[in-house]
Amino acid sequence: EADIYQTPRYLVIGTGKKITLECSQTMGHDKMYWYQQDPGMELHLIHYSYGVNSTEKGDLSSESTVSRIRTEHFPLTLESARPSHTSQYLCASSVIRGGEAFFGQGTRLTVV
Amino acid sequence: TQLLEQSPQFLSIQEGENLTVYCNSSSVFSSLQWYRQEPGEGPVLLVTVVTGGEVKKLKRLTFQFGDARKDSSLHITAAQPGDTGLYLCAGASEQRGSTVRGSEKLVFGKGMKLTVNP
Repeated sequence: EADIYQTPRYLVIGTGKKITLECSQTMGHDKMYWYQQDPGMELHLIHYSYGVNSTEKGDLSSESTVSRIRTEHFPLTLESARPSHTSQYLCASSVIRGGEAFFGQGTRLTVV
Repeated sequence: TQLLEQSPQFLSIQEGENLTVYCNSSSVFSSLQWYRQEPGEGPVLLVTVVTGGEVKKLKRLTFQFGDARKDSSLHITAAQPGDTGLYLCAGASEQRGSTVRGSEKLVFGKGMKLTVNP
């Protein structure tokens, strides 16, 4: 069983609010990812990190930002949420080589 | 951006039938993974293939990696309702020009939504 956790599982907030989605893993993985996924649809990579103080933008442009101050923690922040941000956000981690990703359960965000 | 095309995108079959899902790309991957995702959950890794021509079996599931490491297939024998879910392939490849150790990025296909009816 993978040790990667996301909080909250569900979040409903109003437009314009600032939010932070939390992601923590206890496996010591250097690589971490954030994906955005609409229900039953493909995963879009929005951010990834190779390790502490390393962050890169993914293939899908996103207004969110990330930070990697500690190996185990990779939070995602939206400064001003909009209805277009409504989606499921999945965090994952992997070892440097091999690429197999372990996913959290996701945060389903609804912006009203 | 490297693309992984999966086909079919949707499949609804009866219990006991066999099926094959394809994952194709014009890019070469150092490894390819298959994941299964249930509604409301994150994807869970099923298998990783790394060698061209490799075949792996997991109970009723058979995975094959193409000789050129550009494509893969997943074959399910005697499908059961518990197999219902979204099947995703993902490829790992080195980033061109990157000097970062282990700069592999994981790219996902669009997935195949499987429904197995009792």
